[in-house]
Amino acid sequence: AQSVTQLGSHVSVSEGALVLLRCNYSSSVPPYLFWYVQYPNQGLQLLLKYTSAATLVKGINGFEAEFKKSETSFHLTKPSAHMSDAAEYFCAVSDRGSGNTGKLIFGQGTTLQVKP
Amino acid sequence: DTEVTQTPKHLVMGMTNKKSLKCEQHMGHRAMYWYKQKAKKPPELMFVYSYEKLSINESVPSRFSPECPNSSLLNLHLHALQPEDSALYLCASSQETSASEQFFGPGTRLTVL
Repeated sequence: AQSVTQLGSHVSVSEGALVLLRCNYSSSVPPYLFWYVQYPNQGLQLLLKYTSAATLVKGINGFEAEFKKSETSFHLTKPSAHMSDAAEYFCAVSDRGSGNTGKLIFGQGTTLQVKP
Repeated sequence: DTEVTQTPKHLVMGMTNKKSLKCEQHMGHRAMYWYKQKAKKPPELMFVYSYEKLSINESVPSRFSPECPNSSLLNLHLHALQPEDSALYLCASSQETSASEQFFGPGTRLTVL
């Protein structure tokens, strides 16, 4: 069965500092991996996705993530945090291909706080 | 148009009321989803529709009744809800269930009194 673990339910950084949000996954087949961001009282917005092309994936708003199969990780990074990055971040996994039921498995989420 | 819309934005209902949530997309997607999200928790899948047919029901209580009248529209009918059903209800769509990306709507904030 697939699962996602996000290490750290709350991460606090200073504005301009590096952002690192950790995600580890478990999957018996090569997965699709995603990072979503959710601002208060809003829906989820896709930041980036891994679908087996390049292992370093660039997303919106300066975020990127690296797929590391040997570590079963898909950590999210941004070189310099901005106040507007404060939000809830979810890592998610799904099966790929024709057997995909469409089911997304989400991690528990990480709240990013950005201090001025 | 790359947007999923949901109405209403907010809904307050009593336990004896009947109400409906509506979700619409015009991206030609053939898979649509309902999720429930409690505060400070990740979204939980409720239902998946593929080509207008229900393909997944995650053991959701019968007081929630989904409907997919056509490929662009998804409804969630609510009846005899409990206060613990209060949550943010999110709709999403994707090209097909095998597609790599789901697009989410802004959600309906439901409060059951």
